[in-house]
Amino acid sequence: GAGVSQSPSNKVTEKGKDVELRCDPISGHTALYWYRQSLGQGLEFLIYFQGNSAPDKSGLPSDRFSAERTGGSVSTLTIQRTQQEDSAVYLCASSSTGTGRIATNEKLFFGSGTQLSVL
Amino acid sequence: RKEVEQDPGPFNVPEGATVAFNCTYSNSASQSFFWYRQDCRKEPKLLMSVYSSGNEDGRFTAQLNRASQYISLLIRDSKLSDSATYLCAETGANNLFFGTGTRLTVIP
Repeated sequence: GAGVSQSPSNKVTEKGKDVELRCDPISGHTALYWYRQSLGQGLEFLIYFQGNSAPDKSGLPSDRFSAERTGGSVSTLTIQRTQQEDSAVYLCASSSTGTGRIATNEKLFFGSGTQLSVL
Repeated sequence: RKEVEQDPGPFNVPEGATVAFNCTYSNSASQSFFWYRQDCRKEPKLLMSVYSSGNEDGRFTAQLNRASQYISLLIRDSKLSDSATYLCAETGANNLFFGTGTRLTVIP
């Protein structure tokens, strides 16, 4: 595909249920990010994958959140026992460079997001 | 303390006006800085990178002040189509942190 693809675009779930959100990055992009954005708020960093390195999970808000990236491509963000405060737009982004600790000209390409509503 | 802080606005300006936004960052070791634009209910898209010497792209000028740890975005001759939320971003140790965004509305 030409861009970052996320699915589903909308997900409505009941409190306490588990959800899985999927991200297909741009082919060849080594870096993949998950962010979430609550209504009227900025982007909250969740997790970052870079190639085969261990992911940076420092932004995950609780142990109910986890993410994996299989084969260095597709990523799945899982939220267990969802709570109402988990309701937000979950955005995935990929880039061809990755930040590392060296200054880079990072350009992130975002997917259109998954709107999660927990009732 | 947040990595990146922005005035959320809203900034309401008439067409043709010049408007400037600032964004402060807390990590003095930050290497790279960016401005993203986000339209309502859309994903963010890169507007421009911010270079140490400052850079210009048409009506948009970005500047970095390392001593005071802020970046700025100047929009000249505002157009109605400039109405959006502008997010600043900086590279932390291993990832990219965004500000909460500044909402701009250009009024006819």
